[in-house]
Amino acid sequence: DAGVIQSPRHEVTEMGQEVTLRCKPISGHDYLFWYRQTMMRGLELLIYFNNNVPIDDSGMPEDRFSAKMPNASFSTLKIQPSEPRDSAVYFCASSSQGNTQYFGPGTRLTVL
Amino acid sequence: QKEVEQNSGPLSVPEGAIASLNCTYSDRGSQSFFWYRQYSGKSPELIMSIYSNGDKEDGRFTAQLNKASQYVSLLIRDSQPSDSATYLCAVSLSGSARQLTFGSGTQLTVLP
Repeated sequence: DAGVIQSPRHEVTEMGQEVTLRCKPISGHDYLFWYRQTMMRGLELLIYFNNNVPIDDSGMPEDRFSAKMPNASFSTLKIQPSEPRDSAVYFCASSSQGNTQYFGPGTRLTVL
Repeated sequence: QKEVEQNSGPLSVPEGAIASLNCTYSDRGSQSFFWYRQYSGKSPELIMSIYSNGDKEDGRFTAQLNKASQYVSLLIRDSQPSDSATYLCAVSLSGSARQLTFGSGTQLTVLP
């Protein structure tokens, strides 16, 4: 199996620009999670989906962040407009029936 | 107060020694406990899960859980330089791995 796939691996953008991060979960997994990791705050759960439906988005920091999962094999996390404090590594993870979460390689986002 | 606390380290042990990593959590309703290993620049990977009080052994790794004291630990026996990584403790209120809350991690260095 290919594992969780994330793109891009690195993103550098300027403040105010829109950023879209992409994730392809492991085939057959019914849960998908978006995390953000920074030195200051550690690894934080932003939102998770079950069967393509958002279940808990209480970790999404503000309205500038949005996430969608249009089908079982694709999800996006969008930041609009981006700010320097959004700079972090964003991980996507998937699991089957809420069991072990498998993380993707992450997207390192730098907002200048 | 953070929900999941770990001694931040860094922790250094000589090769062949036992490394002891500790984690406390604040929510008494927590039911599932996990240890993830994260190499520098990589994504977290699950190494141990524990759900009931006592010890759980898997190779050189032993997880210990004491719900009364709200304490979970990870012991690594015969530490190897390849064990050098950041170890993340994660806790879930459910009986599964959904909606994990992570500690800030303990950086472990095993000295040859």
